[in-house]
Amino acid sequence: EVQLVESGGGLVQPGRSLKLSCLASGFTFSNYGMNWIRQAPGKGLEWVASISSSSSYIYYADTVKGRFTISRDNAKNTLYLQMTSLRSEDTALYYCARGHADYWGQGVMVTVSS
Amino acid sequence: DIVMTQAPLSVSVTPGESASISCRSSKSLLHSNGITYVYWYLQKPGKSPQLLIYRMSNLASGVPDRFSGSGSETDFTLKISRVEAEDVGIYYCGQLLENPFTFGSGTKLEIK
Repeated sequence: EVQLVESGGGLVQPGRSLKLSCLASGFTFSNYGMNWIRQAPGKGLEWVASISSSSSYIYYADTVKGRFTISRDNAKNTLYLQMTSLRSEDTALYYCARGHADYWGQGVMVTVSS
Repeated sequence: DIVMTQAPLSVSVTPGESASISCRSSKSLLHSNGITYVYWYLQKPGKSPQLLIYRMSNLASGVPDRFSGSGSETDFTLKISRVEAEDVGIYYCGQLLENPFTFGSGTKLEIK
């Protein structure tokens, strides 16, 4: 069974940093590109970043480019999102999703507030 | 960026009836490989989105065949036949042809 379990969220002040993790199981992690997709409270889905299976290709939404860094450790079956210079508008539920978003994690909440 | 426009914003359906949701992309989602990269997701209340339809018309694993997807290069339709109470939630279309991936604003399905 495919499972994606996010962790690392919480309440953080504006301008501070936070690192999210997504532990994958039930499939060969190193064979799939991965994504972070977020959902602000009461809002729709916003794609944040993608990384290819071998980390050769990385893409970011303009809203996070230069502040967020996506990475992965295939030996640990783990996807990461390093978030810096956080803003109130980054407040959202962050999901990791496999490949073409065929499987999603349960999400982890990030709240940016003073 | 490719803009995905969904309609209607919400739909109320009697159990057993059918429902259709439309999605239009600002650019063709047909790749040169012949695949149209539009996807449909359902987010049930309090849950993560789940994949319903991939590559315009392919039913995801475990999804009832009451769901079907169709369309052209820029206009797409999700049809739900014989709507059931468990189908309530917000439906999103999404394009995964090119980065940035983008989603429609969602269609809320309610039961009458």
